[in-house]
Amino acid sequence: SQKIEQNSEALNIQEGKTATLTCNYTNYSPAYLQWYRQDPGRGPVFLLLIRENEKEKRKERLKVTFDTTLKQSLFHITASQPADSATYLCALDDGGRRALTFGSGTRLQVQP
Amino acid sequence: SAVISQKPSRDICQRGTSLTIQCQVDSQVTMMFWYRQQPGQSLTLIATANQGSEATYESGFVIDKFPISRPNLTFSTLTVSNMSPEDSSIYLCSVDRHLLNTEAFFGQGTRLTVV
Repeated sequence: SQKIEQNSEALNIQEGKTATLTCNYTNYSPAYLQWYRQDPGRGPVFLLLIRENEKEKRKERLKVTFDTTLKQSLFHITASQPADSATYLCALDDGGRRALTFGSGTRLQVQP
Repeated sequence: SAVISQKPSRDICQRGTSLTIQCQVDSQVTMMFWYRQQPGQSLTLIATANQGSEATYESGFVIDKFPISRPNLTFSTLTVSNMSPEDSSIYLCSVDRHLLNTEAFFGQGTRLTVV
């Protein structure tokens, strides 16, 4: 099965800066990779999905890249705001099963 | 999208007792997924529940401990049986949109504390 690594240390940045979060995976390359946001006491909320044949995907201030050679995805939030403070989870398919495999998440704290 | 109502949102239970968590979806779905999220940890899949068949459990999870019901296409329950403090966790139900390669939707989770 897949093993996913996300930086377990919290990321603290200043408002207005770009936050960059990393997701690395081992084993086989997934057909797609997803990013979720999770606030305390809430379930994860879907943000972006990128497929194996896509290098980059954007949605408003969010950008995701997918490098199947490096087995890595980068998640960027530009012009970050304190409201972006949350835990961000990387998830991917695991051998074609419908259920997702999740990383442990990276907590982002945006300082005003 | 799918709206998922999960309850209870939290509970404090005595060890040795059981708790049943309910998950209601606003549309019919083929598969429902139950995850556990221990403090500071990732989401771990417990089982996949199809309507009309027994749930499929992941390694480390057994039906006697986590019985699941799936009586129709919009509802499922997960029971945490004979609880111990190690079962203290957040339990989440999830669905997707019937297709591969699509996003998942989650309930708000049930925060369980076993004392």
